[in-house]
Amino acid sequence: DSGVTQTPKHLITATGQRVTLRCSPRSGDLSVYWYQQSLDQGLQFLIQYYNGEERAKGNILERFSAQQFPDLHSELNLSSLELGDSALYFCASSVATQRGYTDTQYFGPGTRLTVL
Amino acid sequence: GENVEQHPSTLSVQEGDSAVIKCTYSDSASNYFPWYKQELGKGPQLIIDIRSNVGEKKDQRIAVTLNKTAKHFSLHITETQPEDSAVYFCAAIIIQGAQKLVFGQGTRLTINP
Repeated sequence: DSGVTQTPKHLITATGQRVTLRCSPRSGDLSVYWYQQSLDQGLQFLIQYYNGEERAKGNILERFSAQQFPDLHSELNLSSLELGDSALYFCASSVATQRGYTDTQYFGPGTRLTVL
Repeated sequence: GENVEQHPSTLSVQEGDSAVIKCTYSDSASNYFPWYKQELGKGPQLIIDIRSNVGEKKDQRIAVTLNKTAKHFSLHITETQPEDSAVYFCAAIIIQGAQKLVFGQGTRLTINP
């Protein structure tokens, strides 16, 4: 158990809908990262937050957005869902992001999203 | 560029034998290289990582080697056991712009009893 929690574990929804995935980082971790894992694309970095502020952006679609709250938990919002958005979504956390030093990322168990 | 290539995509070894997985990266400024193990239905679990100030790191049956000149790094698992069966991912930190981890495509390792 990495200490990172994610809810829900599974989510089934229809095309065009909007969903919210939730992540709680390990105690003391300030950075949260979101990843998408699909069969054809592997693990893709979406976005990172550090202490409430967006720090880095990856291949995140405009239909997707995220935020990190004062208690450091994070939510990933996916809207106008398409069939191709079906994937595993992982959250990871790390202690802090000092410029020039890369902290170890610890992954949660993931949310499996199925869009029908 | 932002690219991490991982080989092989599948690997089958006899229990007790060694397994080697290799990765190459494109960003010469990369300085952090973690390896993750992912079991079915679970999230990736860090098993070992290496930073560019060292060439090799060992943790019991697992070792990672790094060749910065050639821009490649490898995972070595010795005395393999059935519980080593999983998908293994290498990753490299990409420094261009904002830092982010880029993952290889994964290696499905099967240990045959």
